[in-house]
Amino acid sequence: DVKVTQSSRYLVKRTGEKVFLECVQDMDHENMFWYRQDPGLGLRLIYFSYDVKMKEKGDIPEGYSVSREKKERFSLILESASTNQTSMYLCASSLSPPSWLAGEKNIQYFGAGTRLSVL
Amino acid sequence: DAKTTQPNSMESNEEEPVHLPCNHSTISGTDYIHWYRQLPSQGPEYVIHGLTSNVNNRMASLAIAEDRKSSTLILHRATLRDAAVYYCILRTTSYDKVIFGPGTSLSVIP
Repeated sequence: DVKVTQSSRYLVKRTGEKVFLECVQDMDHENMFWYRQDPGLGLRLIYFSYDVKMKEKGDIPEGYSVSREKKERFSLILESASTNQTSMYLCASSLSPPSWLAGEKNIQYFGAGTRLSVL
Repeated sequence: DAKTTQPNSMESNEEEPVHLPCNHSTISGTDYIHWYRQLPSQGPEYVIHGLTSNVNNRMASLAIAEDRKSSTLILHRATLRDAAVYYCILRTTSYDKVIFGPGTSLSVIP
C-alpha cells in the first residue's frame, strides 16, 4: 500500500515562528501536494510539485513556501506563522501518468494530516 | 473546471445499503468520476472511479448515468466505519489538480 507520512499529527506554534511541515511518500510518486482544510472552505491547494526541485503555486500560496530536494520528501514552510494559518494541513502524492491516462491514473494518496495551531 | 453538487448530509441505518448521489451536468467527455472519502481526523482516501460503465471494487460500487450527468456511489451494507464525508470529483486528462467540494457527510445509525 502507498504510504504518505506527515511528521506531526498536532503542532502548536507561536506567531512569528518559522514552521516546517514534513511529508514523505514511499511509492516513488512524481507529484506531491500540500493542501489546507478549513471548516466550510473544503480543501484548498497551497503548492504542488511535479518533480525534484520543481514547485508550482496553488490557489493560496501567500505566506507559504515549499522545498523538494528529494523525490520522496516535500516540505511546507511557514516563513512567519500567523494565527490565520491555524488549520489542518494535508499532504498528498500521485503518479504522473501520460496525459491520455491522467483521468484514469490520477489517484491521490493523502497523509493523515497535521493540525497546526498558531497562538 | 467542471463542478459537482452533492447533498450536504445523509443518514443511513447500519447494515443497510446507502446511495450517495452526485450531479455533474457540465462533465466533459474525457472527465473521469472519482470518489474519495474522509474519515474523522484522517486525510481523504480514494474509494472508486469510473468513466462510463458501472464499476465495483471491494469498498463500493459506482453507478454512472447513461448521459454521465450524474453518478451514485453505493455502499452495499453500511457499517459504523463508513461514517465519513464523501467527495465526488471530476478528474481531467489535462491537469492533476484535485478540486474538492464540501462533499456529503454520511452518518450511520446503529
